[in-house]
Amino acid sequence: DVKVTQSSRYLVKRTGEKVFLECVQDMDHENMFWYRQDPGLGLRLIYFSYDVKMKEKGDIPEGYSVSREKKERFSLILESASTNQTSMYLCASSQDRGLGGYTFGSGTRLTVV
Amino acid sequence: GQQLNQSPQSMFIQEGEDVSMNCTSSSIFNTWLWYKQDPGEGPVLLIALYKAGELTSNGRLTAQFGITRKDSFLNISASIPSDVGIYFCAGRRDGNKLVFGAGTILRVKS
Repeated sequence: DVKVTQSSRYLVKRTGEKVFLECVQDMDHENMFWYRQDPGLGLRLIYFSYDVKMKEKGDIPEGYSVSREKKERFSLILESASTNQTSMYLCASSQDRGLGGYTFGSGTRLTVV
Repeated sequence: GQQLNQSPQSMFIQEGEDVSMNCTSSSIFNTWLWYKQDPGEGPVLLIALYKAGELTSNGRLTAQFGITRKDSFLNISASIPSDVGIYFCAGRRDGNKLVFGAGTILRVKS
């Protein structure tokens, strides 16, 4: 069964900590995405990547960075976590130029205290 | 960023009722997608639409790609308790990026 795996379902971090959220997909997809999901705001795109070592800013990149050293892995980094980054984080992947949609991971619920 | 207007924001319905939700945009999209997110999980693709006017069914779900290419709707017939969740519409103009609506929260009274 093909899937997108996010390393943690729940995380609690302190303000100012550096936080790594990991995402791995086993479908050989070219494209990978990081979203955050907040009530009433839907899914907002943070960063995405169309290829290894390639990254592009989404709609809300401030306070985040990403790393894609291998095709199957896309990491989201919170350089200095803040309480307003408490959210559900969703990773997704898709085929390049595919007509289909994204395959999402189960999400990581991050709480910054 | 670009947004889709999804309505209603939430629904509370009786089991067995039909449900309708829709998404509109000021921009044209080439693909419309509908996702469902169960509590504690990531969204899962329900239906994909690729042509203006296209009507596609998946079991009790029916979705249509608006003729203007600026809207789409999703209908669920004879709702059941497991229909509970958040439904998202998503549109693709070109390239690989999707734009998502804010979601419709569906709650079913049993």
